[in-house]
Amino acid sequence: QTVVTQEPSLSVSPGGTVTLTCGLSSGSVSTSHHPNWYQQTPGQAPRTLIYNTETRSSGVPDRFSGSILGNKAALTVTGAQADDECDYYCLLDMGSGIWVFGGGTKLTVL
Amino acid sequence: QVQLQESGPGLVKPSETLSLTCTVSGGSISGHFWSWIRQPPGKGLEYIGYIYSSGSTNSNPSLKSRVTISADTSKNQFSLKLSSVTAADTAVYYCARWHCSAGTCYHLDFWGQGTLVTVSS
Repeated sequence: QTVVTQEPSLSVSPGGTVTLTCGLSSGSVSTSHHPNWYQQTPGQAPRTLIYNTETRSSGVPDRFSGSILGNKAALTVTGAQADDECDYYCLLDMGSGIWVFGGGTKLTVL
Repeated sequence: QVQLQESGPGLVKPSETLSLTCTVSGGSISGHFWSWIRQPPGKGLEYIGYIYSSGSTNSNPSLKSRVTISADTSKNQFSLKLSSVTAADTAVYYCARWHCSAGTCYHLDFWGQGTLVTVSS
């Protein structure tokens, strides 16, 4: 079964920029995987940040952006803030209505 | 505003069947795709499967043999059954709605708050 890979943890300084990535154990991520990015704070359901590679969900600040970088999907956080410290998950469309989550990235802002 | 609420037993015995229902308010389940997702304590999210309101479904190959997802449009609900559960099925279970357009589903736009199901004797 295909595994979706993410960095387990990353850190960024307040005001800094960080890029989280989402890859495949076999093959490349492309726009046809319709990459989603979700943000999850403790005890809460995830909320969509980015879908269809680069479309920002309603109400999401423009310091969050999505793209394809090389063979991975990427989420870039520009001007990181303290409340960006939480977990981030990517979700990829593998076809036939089957989607797969990445293992998640714990982002620390320090 | 669409709202989703999961309900069902919080404790299930090993080898039994886990049964959850998601009740949708503020909108109809008809014409939409719906999914179940789970998250073991302290771990990441796992996609379980989806159902379209007409009844077509598909599920994660790793769970497919044990998963049944169904919908009841008269009650505006959809349900999950997971058979032969073990401790590894202990998780917070979320229901969610897909945002779809022109035949393509793009993201999960509304989520329930989640319900913890513990598998233990």
